[in-house]
Amino acid sequence: QVQLQESGPGLVKPSETLSLTCTVSGGSITTYHWNWIRQPPGKGLEWIGYIYDNGSFSTHPSLRGRVTISEDTSRNQFSLKLTSLTAADTAVYYCARGRRGYAYANDFWGQGILVTVST
Amino acid sequence: DIQMTQSPSSLSASVGGTVTITCRANQNVFNYLNWYQQKPGQAPKLLIYGVSNLQSGVPSRFSGSGSGTDFALSINSLQLEDFATYFCQQTYTNPIVFGQGTEVVIK
Repeated sequence: QVQLQESGPGLVKPSETLSLTCTVSGGSITTYHWNWIRQPPGKGLEWIGYIYDNGSFSTHPSLRGRVTISEDTSRNQFSLKLTSLTAADTAVYYCARGRRGYAYANDFWGQGILVTVST
Repeated sequence: DIQMTQSPSSLSASVGGTVTITCRANQNVFNYLNWYQQKPGQAPKLLIYGVSNLQSGVPSRFSGSGSGTDFALSINSLQLEDFATYFCQQTYTNPIVFGQGTEVVIK
């Protein structure tokens, strides 16, 4: 059974950089699309971006320039860096697998990590 | 960007009843339409992928339909555990976009 687990700080200051890691167990990250998705408190889901099988990544245009997604295949992890944080970036951040043969649906998710941007 | 509009934003229903949630895209997303269920404090759970394919382990009372720009999620014989928020998602083109969500509450 595939499992995903997010890790990183729960509190970051405005203007700083957020770094989150997703550790995948039960399967290799060398295939599939590996996504970051966030959800501000009480609101809907926003796709941030994904990294896919050759190490390339795609991000939401509204976040372009602030987001980097990378992978460490030796550790079966992928990571998110989000720069120039503001209060609007406060959200639960999820990592999730996207499956090509399943219309790229997100079939496995991490439990989520709440990140608060505040002084 | 493709816009996804779900309706209604909230509905009330009785245990044993049937509900239908609709999702409309402002351009053709072909069969790249998925549905998720989310309960408070939990990650979303995939219910339906590719318009009408039931994810493994999801009860058959859930079904999806539609094509092109208009889609629906139906839940028959509502159970207590089905009261939750439901999201549609288009994965046809980037950016991937979710609908705003439909909360299903107990009548």
